[in-house]
Amino acid sequence: NAGVTQTPKFQVLKTGQSMTLQCAQDMNHEYMSWYRQDPGMGLRLIHYSVGAGITDQGEVPNGYNVSRSTTEDFPLRLLSAAPSQTSVYFCASSLKGTSRTEAFFGQGTRLTVV
Amino acid sequence: ILNVEQSPQSLHVQEGDSTNFTCSFPSSNFYALHWYRWETAKSPEALFVMTLNGDEKKKGRISATLNTKEGYSYLYIKGSQPEDSATYLCAFKGGSWGKLQFGAGTQVVVTP
Repeated sequence: NAGVTQTPKFQVLKTGQSMTLQCAQDMNHEYMSWYRQDPGMGLRLIHYSVGAGITDQGEVPNGYNVSRSTTEDFPLRLLSAAPSQTSVYFCASSLKGTSRTEAFFGQGTRLTVV
Repeated sequence: ILNVEQSPQSLHVQEGDSTNFTCSFPSSNFYALHWYRWETAKSPEALFVMTLNGDEKKKGRISATLNTKEGYSYLYIKGSQPEDSATYLCAFKGGSWGKLQFGAGTQVVVTP
């Protein structure tokens, strides 16, 4: 059971470049989300999805796009990378609407924008 | 707006000592409170999901309590060991469809 698979692990981008961070889960979880982690700020929610075809913004959505065409996949797109997007990104998935709603995290992507 | 707060931000504990720290969260529209353990260079892993006022959960030497009326949860580590060194995150979920809002974490360093 792979759980949440997130790629790549590391990425360096130049300012203005675009890229997609991939996230896939094989647990049939309805809820998927993207977070960024910056020192002293915990995990901040970028975008989330409660099911295929449904996405919504989190706390810090600017500069990022998401789509959810299948239950399994939830890619995060950086449209035009900026140095302020240098961060560690985590994808997470969970069941919705039950008591066992703990989030399962991918291994993270360390992104540097130069 | 981060209205899930954890304190202290960090603490240093001698091996064998017990410690505790706090998570405060909105007392309205409560659905669940999560605790995660996050070791350096790894991904956060769930410790507890707490849903009822007065809940107490335990996993080995780590336990947690929940007060939804006043909006706080405590995490306790009994007899700390170096392997307990990690950042402990709490996360608030408001409603079954609600977003999971994380606190900034409490970094625990246990020294031998």
